[in-house]
Amino acid sequence: KAGVTQTPRYLIKTRGQQVTLSCSPISGHRSVSWYQQTPGQGLQFLFEYFSETQRNKGNFPGRFSGRQFSNSRSEMNVSTLELGDSALYLCASSLGQPTNTGELFFGEGSRLTVL
Amino acid sequence: AQSVTQLDSQVPVFEEAPVELRCNYSSSVSVYLFWYVQYPNQGLQLLLKYLSGSTLVKGINGFEAEFNKSQTSFHLRKPSVHISDTAEYFCAVSVDFGNEKLTFGTGTRLTIIP
Repeated sequence: KAGVTQTPRYLIKTRGQQVTLSCSPISGHRSVSWYQQTPGQGLQFLFEYFSETQRNKGNFPGRFSGRQFSNSRSEMNVSTLELGDSALYLCASSLGQPTNTGELFFGEGSRLTVL
Repeated sequence: AQSVTQLDSQVPVFEEAPVELRCNYSSSVSVYLFWYVQYPNQGLQLLLKYLSGSTLVKGINGFEAEFNKSQTSFHLRKPSVHISDTAEYFCAVSVDFGNEKLTFGTGTRLTIIP
């Protein structure tokens, strides 16, 4: 069974640009969550999508957005990039059912560098 | 709001020695607790979880953790570590049963000394 796939793995952007990151969940998983990991702030929850609907949202500005498609694949977008957006963006998929709460399967991440 | 504290940012341990990684949480409601491990250049992997029931939880790779409600702790233990256990360990808490919003601690880097 294939794991969670994130693309691209590495990218470099400049301030003011926008970026789109993609995540393909494990087959059968309907929930996709996004986390930002930085040395200073650690792991912070961005948002979760379940069956194409945003089910939860973290405390990030509106420049951070996401969506989920009918095949459960998800994308997140960051507009008007700032230096502080440099981070490892982790996608995690799960069955999304109550009995599986917190059982997240993470991808290897997309490392974004903003210059 | 809930929070997680991992007081030890780094823990060096000799190979085959026991280890305990500490995790304390703060929440005004019932919590669900998790330990995740991150190997270098990889995503996170679930080690174990506590949702309800027995307070002693066993996970993968010989790890276990004990939920202590009175001390608001969920410490991770292993009786004998191996070189392959070198990684960063994250404690996490959720207060919402049925969604995937986790609050993570800052992590503990476990280094095994041969």
